[in-house]
Amino acid sequence: GENVEQHPSTLSVQEGDSAVIKCTYSDSASNYFPWYKQELGKGPQLIIDIRSNVGEKKDQRIAVTLNKTAKHFSLHITETQPEDSAVYFCAASPPPGNTGKLIFGQGTTLQVKP
Amino acid sequence: KAGVTQTPRYLIKTRGQQVTLSCSPISGHRSVSWYQQTPGQGLQFLFEYFSETQRNKGNFPGRFSGRQFSNSRSEMNVSTLELGDSALYLCASSLGGTVSSGNTIYFGEGSWLTVV
Repeated sequence: GENVEQHPSTLSVQEGDSAVIKCTYSDSASNYFPWYKQELGKGPQLIIDIRSNVGEKKDQRIAVTLNKTAKHFSLHITETQPEDSAVYFCAASPPPGNTGKLIFGQGTTLQVKP
Repeated sequence: KAGVTQTPRYLIKTRGQQVTLSCSPISGHRSVSWYQQTPGQGLQFLFEYFSETQRNKGNFPGRFSGRQFSNSRSEMNVSTLELGDSALYLCASSLGGTVSSGNTIYFGEGSWLTVV
């Protein structure tokens, strides 16, 4: 079945710097890749997603890139702020069905130092 | 528009008991999925319901079950609780189509279950 590897597990940056989190997936038939942000005591919040017919997507300070050939996708956060501190999860939607089932990476704890 | 609502938020149960968790999806959403989150195993897919039918199932024992009602609300049940079932149980909802057609998955705040 699908497997998603995420790294790094922890990331510490200075406020204003950029942060990059990388994920690889195993099933080439997966076609949807969301990113979630989870703050302490809360559920995962969708921050951006990308589908396999797109190579890059941007939303203000957040961007995601997808390399289908290499089977990896990355989250880029620019101009980081302290409120960006949280745990970030990547996920892939595997076949069959490609519906409500997501396979998640292990998460990256991002700390933005003021 | 209200988000995904889960009840109860926190509960403590004794080993051997059973528990039922409830989820109300976003209005108009017909798919409800359940996930277990633990520090050791991360986020793991339990099952998905669409139009009152189980559409997908993860690799969990039969003690974990669920159902969906005609109004798309869903419940999950865990019987004969074990200490290892202590976790955050998350419900997610979506419109119900394929993700390639634009379906997006939104999560609730979760139900924290502690088994003692």
